[in-house]
Amino acid sequence: AAGVIQSPRHLIKEKRETATLKCYPIPRHDTVYWYQQGPGQDPQFLISFYEKMQSDKGSIPDRFSAQQFSDYHSELNMSSLELGDSALYFCASSSDRIGTEAFFGQGTRLTVV
Amino acid sequence: QQQVKQSPQSLIVQKGGISIINCAYENTAFDYFPWYQQFPGKGPALLIAIRPDVSEKKEGRFTISFNKSAKQFSLHIMDSQPGDSATYFCAASRSIAAGNKLTFGGGTRVLVKP
Repeated sequence: AAGVIQSPRHLIKEKRETATLKCYPIPRHDTVYWYQQGPGQDPQFLISFYEKMQSDKGSIPDRFSAQQFSDYHSELNMSSLELGDSALYFCASSSDRIGTEAFFGQGTRLTVV
Repeated sequence: QQQVKQSPQSLIVQKGGISIINCAYENTAFDYFPWYQQFPGKGPALLIAIRPDVSEKKEGRFTISFNKSAKQFSLHIMDSQPGDSATYFCAASRSIAAGNKLTFGGGTRVLVKP
C-alpha cells in the first residue's frame, strides 16, 4: 500500500539559508499535518491543511510557512535557518471523508550547521 | 505545559515479560487516543487506538486500557520481544477527523533484553 512520501530524506543547510521540505500524502487523503521532532523529544505539531486550506496551527515559527497544493502535496518552507531548527520533520496524512487516522511519513532529517 | 503526560521515560523488560506504559491527559475534549511505535530514524507508526466509550481494546499482544474518570490510559505489551524495542508514544486528539492535531506524550524508550 502507498505510504506518505517525504523528500528529501536528509538535508544539510547552513545558518540563515532556506529549506523546502516536500510531502506527498497517501492517495485520496485530504489532510496533511507537519510535525517537528527534536532529538529525544516527542513530535510537536506545526501546522495542518485540509482540502488545501490551513486547518490548524501549532508552534510554527514565523520564519516557516507551508501550503497544500491542488494535487494535495504539501511543502514546508523554512527561512533564516537557525541551529535549533535541526530536527526530524514528519508529515502525516489522513482522510476526513473516510475517517482514517493519521499515517506518518519517514521524515526529513534537517541539519543546520 | 505537557497536555499528555507519559511515564516511564524508559523501560527495560526481559523477553517474554510485560511492558506497561502509562499516560494521563488534561483536556476532556480529547476523544481519540492512539499509540505510536517509533524506531530510530523512522516515522511514528500507529499501533493501536481507543475511543473513550470503551475501557479496553486488544490487538494481538498489545492492549490499551482506558479510565475515562481518571483521564488515564495505558499500553500493555504482552510477551515482549526484542523486536519490540522502540520508543512508544501515546497521543490524544479531539477526534479522528480532519485537521485535528495529535498531542503526543513525551515518549517511552522500551528495551527488551533477550
